[in-house]
Amino acid sequence: GQNIDQPTEMTATEGAIVQINCTYQTSGFNGLFWYQQHAGEAPTFLSYNVLDGLEEKGRFSSFLSRSKGYSYLLLKELQMKDSASYLCAVRDHTGNTPLVFGKGTRLSVIA
Amino acid sequence: DTEVTQTPKHLVMGMTNKKSLKCEQHMGHRAMYWYKQKAKKPPELMFVYSYEKLSINESVPSRFSPECPNSSLLNLHLHALQPEDSALYLCASSQESGGQNYNEQFFGPGTRLTVL
Repeated sequence: GQNIDQPTEMTATEGAIVQINCTYQTSGFNGLFWYQQHAGEAPTFLSYNVLDGLEEKGRFSSFLSRSKGYSYLLLKELQMKDSASYLCAVRDHTGNTPLVFGKGTRLSVIA
Repeated sequence: DTEVTQTPKHLVMGMTNKKSLKCEQHMGHRAMYWYKQKAKKPPELMFVYSYEKLSINESVPSRFSPECPNSSLLNLHLHALQPEDSALYLCASSQESGGQNYNEQFFGPGTRLTVL
């Protein structure tokens, strides 16, 4: 089966750091994506991890542990514009679905 | 050009209407996708086309009919829809749909569909 879990909602303060966790159980694994989606807009790509470790890209970093079925997205120096949904998605190449999305985490950044 | 375009942006239709959603990409991608997204939910995969052939149909009702006229275009034909079909319909593309390669999906802006 396929299951991806992430928190439904989070709130953080402007300028702070926030970590959004994602755990997954899939039959196979061929990479994990994080997407950002603002309300009413399309998802946009943030990061991709296929090997264990941390990938850093500006204010955003993503971490993967394949043995634990765990990833997190770290957002630093939060800005109001970071208020959005963050979708964790796993490529399970053994299944029929090329990309399995988690339910998304709605992040609210407050002043 | 690293963009996926979709038309129309908004569509309102009655349950007896026939309409089509269009999607276009010029990135040379060989996989194209249709997703349906309801408010505050993640995208749900509907169809996948790989090299212009339908490779995945996620048990979508026949009132939704996809078409891939060529490698750059993807259509979704709509007929006799229900009010519960109202949603954001997203098109995406990637280099390929499977295999061991990194295949980021690029999403279009979506068509906001309302069925009355």
